Amino acid sequence: EFVLTQSPGTLSLSAGERATLSCRASESIGSIYIAWYQQKPGQAPRLLMSGASTRATGIPDRFSGSGSGTHFTLTISSLEPEDSAVYYCQQYANSPLFGQGTRVEI
Amino acid sequence: QVQLVQSGAELKKPGSSVKVSCKASGDSFSSFAFSWVRQAPGRGLEWMGGIIPIVRAPNYAQTFQGRVTITADVSSGTAYMELSGLRSEDTAVYYCARSITLLRAFDFWGQGTLVTVSS
Repeated sequence: EFVLTQSPGTLSLSAGERATLSCRASESIGSIYIAWYQQKPGQAPRLLMSGASTRATGIPDRFSGSGSGTHFTLTISSLEPEDSAVYYCQQYANSPLFGQGTRVEI
Repeated sequence: QVQLVQSGAELKKPGSSVKVSCKASGDSFSSFAFSWVRQAPGRGLEWMGGIIPIVRAPNYAQTFQGRVTITADVSSGTAYMELSGLRSEDTAVYYCARSITLLRAFDFWGQGTLVTVSS
């Protein structure tokens, strides 16, 4: 069974700090099939990144994505207060699957 | 401006069915794929299935095979998700989400529809 595991579960940082979120796949997957989403309380998820590293329209450049094979990373270079949210990675190479999420607290 | 507007909250009895709609505006409906993703209270995101309106053949997650039916009406630009045999564990917010095709990231999302299953 294919699994995406995100770590850490919760990240508590201060504004201006760098956040590094990890997403590990149980099998190797092409980077073009990885996306990241941001979800704030009471809101629908918002696409941040597709193809592992391509920012969606309107996403600030403090968000960046990288990775290949089984390990992918979302980096927020300098946290803003509005970045407090839960972040999900997703694979869509086959039946779409989400990781369990990382909560970022600022 | 693409918008996906979903139908309102539902309260259902165990064993019954629910049908949620998602009306798309602002872009060519039939050219895209529409998926349904649910989120139980305090939990993560779970893909249920999707459809490309011009193809009409839906694709379902194994977990929901036999219980979910996803359809699309090109004339009204609306996608539908019907879930049968409801149980308390189906209490969740149900989102529709758009993608370029079924195996692509979801670039637009509906506002979500809360379905509560309770006797």
